[in-house]
Amino acid sequence: DQQVKQNSPSLSVQEGRISILNCDYTNSMFDYFLWYKKYPAEGPTFLISISSIKDKNEDGRFTVFLNKSAKHLSLHIVPSQPGDSAVYFCAASGSGTSYGKLTFGQGTILTVHP
Amino acid sequence: ETGVTQSPTHLIKTRGQQVTLRCSSQSGHNTVSWYQQALGQGPQFIFQYYREEENGRGNFPPRFSGLQFPNYSSELNVNALELDDSALYLCASNERGKYNEQFFGPGTRLTVL
Repeated sequence: DQQVKQNSPSLSVQEGRISILNCDYTNSMFDYFLWYKKYPAEGPTFLISISSIKDKNEDGRFTVFLNKSAKHLSLHIVPSQPGDSAVYFCAASGSGTSYGKLTFGQGTILTVHP
Repeated sequence: ETGVTQSPTHLIKTRGQQVTLRCSSQSGHNTVSWYQQALGQGPQFIFQYYREEENGRGNFPPRFSGLQFPNYSSELNVNALELDDSALYLCASNERGKYNEQFFGPGTRLTVL
């Protein structure tokens, strides 16, 4: 049972344009969502997060949008840079005893072309 | 500040053997979580330790066990290895209460033949 899904295995974008990565979830008990970036031979690196009480969180070039009714979140990168090329994972966490036990999607490979 | 480190980097074992993977948490972090990442998949939560006690477990059998030491380093032990245990094993540490800001190590690549 895949509770967090990233339906696009890959995304290719031109440098300077917007990258939009999508994520869907099924568990309504999730109340905290995160995006991680992973380069080869490195562990995932935390990018940005959002609590379920918000619908948008922005940090520099990165913005995460959350649509709770649709159980959907997205990560926008503007403008995209070649150094952003990596695997992006969305992850979710519940509250109480589930707090901090992350459930990850399958990942989306982002390639930004110069 | 030293980040999360893991050893070894790569490991090859045969089916039925036992393996121990090690993780050194980032300084000041007293909580460690272990994840299994199969090829082409996202990381899957195995278990979490806080102050040397297990603090939650994912859908993994008892042959996956762990330890956390007073210096907050930790081990993941897997007994009776199966072919499907071949994966990248990641540990992540965080400060007390900041469970949603986990810092990951580079992982140990385990191959079971």
